[in-house]
Amino acid sequence: AQSVTQLGSHVSVSEGALVLLRCNYSSSVPPYLFWYVQYPNQGLQLLLKYTSAATLVKGINGFEAEFKKSETSFHLTKPSAHMSDAAEYFCAVSDRRSNDYKLSFGAGTTVTVRA
Amino acid sequence: KAGVTQTPRYLIKTRGQQVTLSCSPISGHRSVSWYQQTPGQGLQFLFEYFSETQRNKGNFPGRFSGRQFSNSRSEMNVSTLELGDSALYLCASSMTGWVTDTQYFGPGTRLTVL
Repeated sequence: AQSVTQLGSHVSVSEGALVLLRCNYSSSVPPYLFWYVQYPNQGLQLLLKYTSAATLVKGINGFEAEFKKSETSFHLTKPSAHMSDAAEYFCAVSDRRSNDYKLSFGAGTTVTVRA
Repeated sequence: KAGVTQTPRYLIKTRGQQVTLSCSPISGHRSVSWYQQTPGQGLQFLFEYFSETQRNKGNFPGRFSGRQFSNSRSEMNVSTLELGDSALYLCASSMTGWVTDTQYFGPGTRLTVL
């Protein structure tokens, strides 16, 4: 079964500082990997997804993530945090063998941005 | 282009009742997936419908059911509500349901069971 672990339920960063959110997956076959953001009282918005050979994935709003098979990781980064980045972030996986959107989500990481 | 819409946005029910939630996908999208989000269990996949057929199912009891209409609109039903069913229910749509497409989420329906 596919699963993901997000290290750290809360992350606090200063405005302008690096944002680093950690995600590790557990799967015998490298899965498809996703990062979503959720703002209060809203649904999920896709930031980026890893589905092909390119291990460095660039997403929206300046976010990017790197797939590292040797570390079973897919950490999300943004060089310079904005106040608008305060939200909850979810890492998710789906089975590469089925190619569908039956997603398994991590527990989420809440990001707060200090002025 | 209109996004995914869910109705109602908020709902309060009592234990034992049943509830029906509605999801209208983006025009042209034929796949609709449903998720439950709770503080304790997080985000969990309920089921996915494509062209009126349930194509995928998560690990939920039979009290949770759904359907999809010919216009791709989907409904999910929860019968004999329990306190633990209080959650944000999210639906998402994509053209085919394959990860090569982008999946878009609606704002959710917040269900409170008293």
